[in-house]
Amino acid sequence: EVQLVQSGAEVKKPGESLKISCKGSGYRFTNHWIGWVRQMPGKGLEWMGIVNPVDSDTRYSPTFEGQVTISADKSINSAYLQWSTLEASDTAMYYCARHSHVVVVDPTPDFWGQGTLVTVSS
Amino acid sequence: QSVLTQPPSASGTPGQTVTISCSGSSSNVGSNPVNWYQQLPGTAPKLLIYVNNQRPSGVPDRFSGSKSGTSASLAISGLQSEDEADYYCATWDDNLDGLYVFGTATKVTVL
Repeated sequence: EVQLVQSGAEVKKPGESLKISCKGSGYRFTNHWIGWVRQMPGKGLEWMGIVNPVDSDTRYSPTFEGQVTISADKSINSAYLQWSTLEASDTAMYYCARHSHVVVVDPTPDFWGQGTLVTVSS
Repeated sequence: QSVLTQPPSASGTPGQTVTISCSGSSSNVGSNPVNWYQQLPGTAPKLLIYVNNQRPSGVPDRFSGSKSGTSASLAISGLQSEDEADYYCATWDDNLDGLYVFGTATKVTVL
């Protein structure tokens, strides 16, 4: 059974840094792109970007490029989403999502983690 | 503001058929396969339909998808109370520097 287990909720102050995680199991981690999707309170889904766990190749949404860092560690089947300087507007639920096989040019998110709520407030 | 437009809401009584539309353009729906996601209240999204009309294992055949030109549709037949959720269409957009885009979401209410 494919499972993506994300790290717990975070409460941070503006200006702080943060790294949240997502651990995959039940499938070969290096066979699939893995990425992140943001959902702000009461809003829709926004695709942030993906990483290829084999070679760490990344693809970002223009909205999020330069604002966050997506990475993966294939040795422990984990993906990460990182901020160097949080802002109040980063308050949201963040979902990790397994995507299609790495050979697929435009991969589809197919399995999702449970979500990590990030709250940024002074 | 999403490039994929969905009606904000849809409703029906148990057993009825509800259809949700997803309107895009030649750079997204018109040239890429469409996927649909279901998000039950307070939970993570779940892939419901992929490549326009394919159902992942475990998804009931009450859910069906179709695409024509720059529009796609999701139909829910035999509507059940547990189908009350937000539904999103999604696809890649060739004009937006390699961006996976979600629709504006449709809230389905079972009356």
